[in-house]
Parts: sequence; structure tokens; C-alpha cells
Amino acid sequence: SQQGEEDPQALSIQEGENATMNCSYKTSINNLQWYRQNSGRGLVHLILIRSNEREKHSGRLRVTLDTSKKSSSLLITASRAADTASYFCATVPLNTGGFKTIFGAGTRLFVKA
Amino acid sequence: NAGVTQTPKFQVLKTGQSMTLQCAQDMNHEYMSWYRQDPGMGLRLIHYSVGAGITDQGEVPNGYNVSRSTTEDFPLRLLSAAPSQTSVYFCASRLLTGELFFGEGSRLTVL
Repeated sequence: SQQGEEDPQALSIQEGENATMNCSYKTSINNLQWYRQNSGRGLVHLILIRSNEREKHSGRLRVTLDTSKKSSSLLITASRAADTASYFCATVPLNTGGFKTIFGAGTRLFVKA
Repeated sequence: NAGVTQTPKFQVLKTGQSMTLQCAQDMNHEYMSWYRQDPGMGLRLIHYSVGAGITDQGEVPNGYNVSRSTTEDFPLRLLSAAPSQTSVYFCASRLLTGELFFGEGSRLTVL
């Protein structure tokens, strides 16, 4: 079974709006990461948040982590058509010795120009 | 800077054939891994390696073999391909801090 589950599975918004994606996971983690995948391409790392951090920013990205609820959210502000992609959360469960990065099924984001 | 390079990009096999997907990285990362991506399933970890000579199984290792003779290379072998192995395969290397760097993928179809 997968460690991470993203919600929603798909999201369609207008350019300029904010996009929020959520991720829930099952076991205690070392860190949580978000990746972007453009159609037909490999995944690209966006941001990493450690288990002792609650919020992190990178440009138009804001990530929060709530370890008590085992959940994270990715906020993309002022979205652009170029943000159209699939977004995946990935966790490194503590019980894997830090060696396994486990991915969720992803959120497909479509930003309409 | 090449990063992670995967070959071939596309491959069609018949059931029972064998093949090797190649992966090379030039970032001197100790950790490398293989994932498969199927529609609606996200990425699932097949095998990983924490350094030359050391490999271990991921979530879905059956039907796949790996070896790690050098830091740079981490090939994935399919010994007897099955239609269930039709997928997109991604190789990744990793920083000590955890960030993964992915190749562009190898699209495999097994008939």
C-alpha cells in the first residue's frame, strides 16, 4: 500500500488563482518532499520539509507539515499556465532506515490561461 | 551537466524476452533507485542501492534484478518480461539530504 495519498486527484483553476494540494501519509517520517512532473518527463524536486519543521517557502510555493495529523499541503500562489503538471508528495518513513522514498499517486493540476 | 541518464527511452519486448535498462549519473551520489510509474499509481520503488556493491528491495521487486558495480551505474534487468511489466521506468539518484534527481524515463511495452 502507498504511504502517501494526495487530494484532490485532479484540480483545474484559472491563471492567477492559488492551487492547494494535500497529502496524507501513514507512518512517522524523516522528511516529506514535493515533486512536479510535466507530461512525458521525469520528476523534478520542488521542496523538502523535515519532520521538525511546520512551514517552508520557496518562491511561489508554500508547504506546511502537520505531523500530528500526518498531513502536508502544497500551496502554489498566483498560478501560471506553466504550472500545469502532476504534483507528487513523497515521504521517507522512519521505519525504512531513511533509505526508501515512497510516493503518492499525485494531483494533476491544470491551469487555464 | 548530464545528471541522470537513462537508456533506452523506448523499448518494445515480447513476453519472455530479457533486457537491461541502463542508468548512469555523474553527480557522485551514493544512493540510486529505480521506480516504475503506472497510470493512477504514482511511482513505486523497485530496488535501491546505497553504494557500490550494496542493493536492496523496494516495494515491487519481483521480476527485476539489479547490481551496482560502480558509483555511476545502476542497471535494471528484466530476466523474463511479462505484460504486467509494461510501464514507465524512472531511475533516480539522491543527495544525502534526501532530494531525488530523476532521469527522463524509459517507456517499456511488453507484448
